[in-house]
Amino acid sequence: DIVMTQSPDSLAVSLGERATINCKSSQSVLSSSSSKSHVAWYQQKLGQPPKLLIYWASTRESGVPDRFSGSESGTDFTLTISSLQAEDVAVYYCQQYYSSSTFGQGTKVEIK
Amino acid sequence: EVQLLEFGGGLIQTGGSLRLSCAASGFTFSSYAMSWVRQAPGKGLEWVSGISDIGSAYYRDSVKGRFTISRDNSKNTLYLQMNSLRAEDTAVYYCAKEVAAIGVPIFDYWGQGTLVTVSS
Repeated sequence: DIVMTQSPDSLAVSLGERATINCKSSQSVLSSSSSKSHVAWYQQKLGQPPKLLIYWASTRESGVPDRFSGSESGTDFTLTISSLQAEDVAVYYCQQYYSSSTFGQGTKVEIK
Repeated sequence: EVQLLEFGGGLIQTGGSLRLSCAASGFTFSSYAMSWVRQAPGKGLEWVSGISDIGSAYYRDSVKGRFTISRDNSKNTLYLQMNSLRAEDTAVYYCAKEVAAIGVPIFDYWGQGTLVTVSS
């Protein structure tokens, strides 16, 4: 199985500041046919189901604020919240869907 | 509006069986793959099983031979039959819609989940 390892496990960021979450895959999740990385990011607020934010590593889902962005470098993937808002407090998960589907362990984002 | 409503969860003894259902509305159910994703209390997300638009099924290793996913496109309903339940199957089970008919398990809509508790 492909293992997705997120860092940090939690972070506290001041309102309006940048939050950066990292995710590393244990092997390549890049499709040679499509040249796309099979990585998605989800946001889960307390007591709610997850919400899709980003897919294909950097494509923002419709309706997701543009302060959320995804990037990649090899097997390293990053979710950035450019200016943290109070409503962004949540746990964030990366997911690979290159081979079956596995999630990272989650990163909890709080307000400092 | 896409809606996914799960039901069928509850408290069950170790070794018992349970069937979860997920009623879908607001989209053409028969055109999309669907999955079950679970979350143990206080833990992360774990994909359990998926099914293509026409019924090809996929499972994580730990549930193979115990769980069976199925769908009834005429009733817009997804199912998960769970047998030989173990304590480690205790979780909230989410029904999730995939973005394509097969092969792309990106989950763009999720239900609210149903809690399954397996206890001796």
